[in-house]
Amino acid sequence: DTEVTQTPKHLVMGMTNKKSLKCEQHMGHRAMYWYKQKAKKPPELMFVYSYEKLSINESVPSRFSPECPNSSLLNLHLHALQPEDSALYLCASSQDRVGQYYGYTFGSGTRLTVV
Amino acid sequence: KNQVEQSPQSLIILEGKNCTLQCNYTVSPFSNLRWYKQDTGRGPVSLTIMTFSENTKSNGRYTATLDADTKQSSLHITASQLSDSASYICVVTPNNNAGNMLTFGGGTRLMVKP
Repeated sequence: DTEVTQTPKHLVMGMTNKKSLKCEQHMGHRAMYWYKQKAKKPPELMFVYSYEKLSINESVPSRFSPECPNSSLLNLHLHALQPEDSALYLCASSQDRVGQYYGYTFGSGTRLTVV
Repeated sequence: KNQVEQSPQSLIILEGKNCTLQCNYTVSPFSNLRWYKQDTGRGPVSLTIMTFSENTKSNGRYTATLDADTKQSSLHITASQLSDSASYICVVTPNNNAGNMLTFGGGTRLMVKP
């Protein structure tokens, strides 16, 4: 298995809703990442997990809450989002944060719309 | 500041024609450079990855070149197909203790017309 799987593919939520995005990989990668991508812009790094521990939080608002239950799973919990949070959310994984050559793989993304 | 600049921002070509996309970077020290293809609303898919010691790498109709001295890379697409219509993103990984902090270019949006 050489894929990063993200669910759901599409999500529409109200500003008072609580929802979660899920990301899964079975490549044995020990680093996992969340990115946010607006239309016609490059992805922007949000969070980095290394060996199931949060190692980087790029000053992301607390309405986004990441969780790494185990080495294969990464969640992004969403609460009280704003319409400007609508974007494509990408998950990625790599062998580890030092293994810069091998295996940096993106998921297919979750298209989030906040209404 | 580490930067990756891509040109052109957008490009329209006819099906069957070749094209070349450019990437200039200031990331230093440098570990590797990747080209990704991203269809609208989908995640980036890796096309090629090159270390500083590699000059060229091919993946089917895609050929990437790298000049580590001038800090330039190009992606050449041969015999374009309609399915090549996408954004192409150049991504550079610095060689530092931060580990895997990718620097993204702004992308080139390619449209292939019949």
